[in-house]
Amino acid sequence: QSALTQPPSASGSPGQSVTISCTGTSRDVGAYNYVSWYQQHPGKAPKLMIYEVNKRPSGVPDRFSGSKSGNTASLTVSGLQAEDEADYHCSSYAGSNIMIFGGGTQLTVL
Amino acid sequence: EVQLVESGGGLVKPGESLRLSCAASGFTFSNAWMTWVRQAPGKGLEWVGRFKSRTAGGTIEYAAPVKDRFIISRDDSKNTLYLQMNSLKSEDTAVYYCAMGFCAGSSCHWDDALAVWGQGTMVTVSS
Repeated sequence: QSALTQPPSASGSPGQSVTISCTGTSRDVGAYNYVSWYQQHPGKAPKLMIYEVNKRPSGVPDRFSGSKSGNTASLTVSGLQAEDEADYHCSSYAGSNIMIFGGGTQLTVL
Repeated sequence: EVQLVESGGGLVKPGESLRLSCAASGFTFSNAWMTWVRQAPGKGLEWVGRFKSRTAGGTIEYAAPVKDRFIISRDDSKNTLYLQMNSLKSEDTAVYYCAMGFCAGSSCHWDDALAVWGQGTMVTVSS
């Protein structure tokens, strides 16, 4: 299984919206509605932000939303805030009890 | 408080072995499917493998790059997950995290969403 494809970087100004893509194949992202997104600040462990494409765990602000179309999933951060600056990783269930991740996207709040 | 704490990382030479531990607390460890994830310096996350709970069959899955070299085990009496790493290569250099999915209502997400993570332990493979 190959890693999912994410853009290496994304940016936006405070208050704006930014969308990060995550492209897989018909065997992973396209096959299952089990895409997750993680936020990771430098030197910290990842934090689950989105699961099952568009569901938010308790405590995650509704500024974070997820979607999927075909083999590509997306994470949108609305009303950007300084604390949103972090790395964002997507993952997908890939069948056969295996999970795969993307390469990560560094989000910069300008 | 639900907590995972990894230990055992360090500097080893290529070809050597190392065993990582992940101590769990704050939940019923025996019911949890436990996962290892690693992150090479400056890189993205990489799924390493997962150990199902014994009640779910206790099966173990591995990522292709570590299959046949790494062994995941668990001791439910000690609430501890292990990762035995053999024949280590420079490309195994990474922070190693243990992690766990979650259950929400009647739906559990063990293999698709990792909600609890340890702080990670660094493994460096270098001569």
